[in-house]
Amino acid sequence: KAGVTQTPRYLIKTRGQQVTLSCSPISGHRSVSWYQQTPGQGLQFLFEYFSETQRNKGNFPGRFSGRQFSNSRSEMNVSTLELGDSALYLCASSSPRALDYEQYFGPGTRLTVT
Amino acid sequence: AQSVTQPDIHITVSEGASLELRCNYSYGATPYLFWYVQSPGQGLQLLLKYFSGDTLVQGIKGFEAEFKRSQSSFNLRKPSVHWSDAAEYFCAVLNAGGTSYGKLTFGQGTILTVHP
Repeated sequence: KAGVTQTPRYLIKTRGQQVTLSCSPISGHRSVSWYQQTPGQGLQFLFEYFSETQRNKGNFPGRFSGRQFSNSRSEMNVSTLELGDSALYLCASSSPRALDYEQYFGPGTRLTVT
Repeated sequence: AQSVTQPDIHITVSEGASLELRCNYSYGATPYLFWYVQSPGQGLQLLLKYFSGDTLVQGIKGFEAEFKRSQSSFNLRKPSVHWSDAAEYFCAVLNAGGTSYGKLTFGQGTILTVHP
């Protein structure tokens, strides 16, 4: 079974631009969570989607948004990029039938804002 | 709110030595606990998890962890470290109830360096 895939793996953007990151979950997984990882703040939860609905959101400004499609693939968008948005963005998928709520992580997208 | 503390930012051990990485959590109910490992530039790989049952859990790569409710701890151990274990290790807790869907709360991580 293929793992979680994220595209692109690396991205360089300029301040003020917007960016869209993509995540394809493991087949059959309907929950997708997004995390931001920075050296200063560590791993922080952005949001979670299940069946095209956002069920949970972390403490990030409205510039960070996401969506999920009917095939469970998810995208996150960051508008008006700031230097502080430079980070590794990780997505994770899980199966609603899994009693242990294990999340499987993708390799991440490294975003650099200049 | 739930929280996770990993007191050691950086640990250095010699290859073949034993290892213990500490993790303390703050959570009202029985937590779902996880240990993940991350190699540079990579995503997170699950080492082991606890959500019920035996408080000593076995994971991959020879790792184990013990859940101690009285101490709110979930320490990771390995009897003999290999050079390939050098990485960053994260402890995490998940709130399976309420509206905290899909949210893992992570500790700050412990960087493990292994000397030959």
